[in-house]
Amino acid sequence: GAVVSQHPSRVICKSGTSVKIECRSLDFQATTMFWYRQFPKQSLMLMATSNEGSKATYEQGVEKDKFLINHASLTLSTLTVTSAHPEDSSFYICSARDNYGYTFGSGTRLTVV
Amino acid sequence: RKEVEQDPGPFNVPEGATVAFNCTYSNSASQSFFWYRQDCRKEPKLLMSVYSSGNEDGRFTAQLNRASQYISLLIRDSKLSDSATYLCVVNSRGAQKLVFGQGTRLTINP
Repeated sequence: GAVVSQHPSRVICKSGTSVKIECRSLDFQATTMFWYRQFPKQSLMLMATSNEGSKATYEQGVEKDKFLINHASLTLSTLTVTSAHPEDSSFYICSARDNYGYTFGSGTRLTVV
Repeated sequence: RKEVEQDPGPFNVPEGATVAFNCTYSNSASQSFFWYRQDCRKEPKLLMSVYSSGNEDGRFTAQLNRASQYISLLIRDSKLSDSATYLCVVNSRGAQKLVFGQGTRLTINP
């Protein structure tokens, strides 16, 4: 089946630094990828839709200058959390649509200290 | 009002019991419906799609009532390994994005 590889799986960073998360579709081409955030005991909230070769579409309330998304190829989308703060600590998950449905990456647990 | 609403639980039931989850959605344009399972600190994984006629996969039965905008999941003969959070998910025709409910946490006790 389709596989989406996401890394790093866990990252701890200092407040004010930037963190890049990568999401790769390994055996299919993904023109669209989705980035979600999940806080403890809450559901996944869509942050943005990443489109290959064009600008991402952000959901209401998500700061596009803080969460930079790049989707430069059909197999790679990246999310950069810029100037991270403790309130950005969360579980970030990417997803891509393949021929059968939606496949999720394994998630990145970000802790900002 | 949230677009997809679920009872967050937690549900604690003994092994072998039957348990049912409910979900309601507010967008009448919703076309596709799913139940996902998420284990602690893991990504969600598709449990089953939900079809208008209702569908069954082993011990799992899903039902959809479009008139009431209501979706259900029934788990029979529950196993310890069924312990997880169950997410009700919908998307609208033409929309690629999925909308997740907050999830219902289930614990099966030995």
